[in-house]
Amino acid sequence: DAGVIQSPRHEVTEMGQEVTLRCKPISGHNSLFWYRQTMMRGLELLIYFNNNVPIDDSGMPEDRFSAKMPNASFSTLKIQPSEPRDSAVYFCASSPGGWSTEAFFGQGTRLTVV
Amino acid sequence: TQLLEQSPQFLSIQEGENLTVYCNSSSVFSSLQWYRQEPGEGPVLLVTVVTGGEVKKLKRLTFQFGDARKDSSLHITAAQPGDTGLYLCAGVPRVAGGTSYGKLTFGQGTILTVHP
Repeated sequence: DAGVIQSPRHEVTEMGQEVTLRCKPISGHNSLFWYRQTMMRGLELLIYFNNNVPIDDSGMPEDRFSAKMPNASFSTLKIQPSEPRDSAVYFCASSPGGWSTEAFFGQGTRLTVV
Repeated sequence: TQLLEQSPQFLSIQEGENLTVYCNSSSVFSSLQWYRQEPGEGPVLLVTVVTGGEVKKLKRLTFQFGDARKDSSLHITAAQPGDTGLYLCAGVPRVAGGTSYGKLTFGQGTILTVHP
């Protein structure tokens, strides 16, 4: 299995531009999580899905952030418009669900908004 | 909100030394996990502890879950440069009458540097 695949690995964009981060979870995993990691705040949960349905988006910082999971093998996190304070590493993780709580993380997308 | 506090935040030691990282909360967790993260990579699970008082060993790493399931520790014996990385604890909250869907609350992490 290739693991959780995120793209792009790095993204540099100008303030005000739309940014879309992509994630392909591990096949067969029922839960998908989007996290943001910064030095100041550590690893923060933004939103998570179970069986493609958003369960809890209380971690999404603002309305500028949105996430979708149109099918079991794909999810996106969109920021529109982007701001410099959105600069961080964004991780997608998937989990088998059921009794298993292990999270399998992608390599992350390093976002820089200038 | 269930918070996990890790200490210390930074640890710089010499090869061969022992160390302990702590993870504390005022909340009870169903289980607690420890992850290790290397630069440019996502966190990777080391261990999950489920039962209060449980102790698990992974080579030179010893993990303990507190009796009340509110805290945990990671002890590394004879640290090696390859142990260098960010260590994160993560808790699965107890959800009455429902499922947590694997939602994790992460501590701030401990950056460990082991010098040759």
